[in-house]
Amino acid sequence: DTAVSQTPKYLVTQMGNDKSIKCEQNLGHDTMYWYKQDSKKFLKIMFSYNNKELIINETVPNRFSPKSPDKAHLNLHINSLELGDSAVYFCASSQVRGPGELFFGEGSRLTVL
Amino acid sequence: EDKVVQSPLSLVVHEGDTVTLNCSYEVTNFRSLLWYKQEKKAPTFLFMLTSSGIEKKSGRLSSILDKKELFSILNITATQTGDSAVYLCAVYTGTASKLTFGTGTRLQVTL
Repeated sequence: DTAVSQTPKYLVTQMGNDKSIKCEQNLGHDTMYWYKQDSKKFLKIMFSYNNKELIINETVPNRFSPKSPDKAHLNLHINSLELGDSAVYFCASSQVRGPGELFFGEGSRLTVL
Repeated sequence: EDKVVQSPLSLVVHEGDTVTLNCSYEVTNFRSLLWYKQEKKAPTFLFMLTSSGIEKKSGRLSSILDKKELFSILNITATQTGDSAVYLCAVYTGTASKLTFGTGTRLQVTL
């Protein structure tokens, strides 16, 4: 059983389109995250939710909107896609809000043409 | 702004060598430092360090934190080709427990 699963794994789309990435964790964790990894492998946090409440919202364009319908799911919707949005997006979860191991999904590679 | 810097950016060694990867940080409200290994896909957890001077060890990998000098090192002894990966250092900060990652060190182990 995959602990943190993301769909789709690959996404190729045109500039200007809207797309969503879904994430689910079956670990019973309270906290979930979205990270963006660029081509140089730099991982940068975008959002974090704790029990459906937004707790971290980094400087991310408001074209990106996270949604957490319950504590096991955290989805990412992106409007009006731009070339610079091309990256690998990782979902992660942790048992507690504080310092502790993050469990990562396998990533969703988004390519904007 | 919180900063985590890793060095070297990349490294090529021969199987059997010992390597030391460095991570230094300048952050507000440090809570802990984590090391991850990333091969093709998801980063996988290696260590979490909270206290200075206490070595964490797992097989051929070990890590230590120096909170006075604001750095950590990750040592890998008797390297194997399976150790080839990007090694990521990350620091937990603040009450919201934000995890800030470094730039990573790409390690390649050759035969």
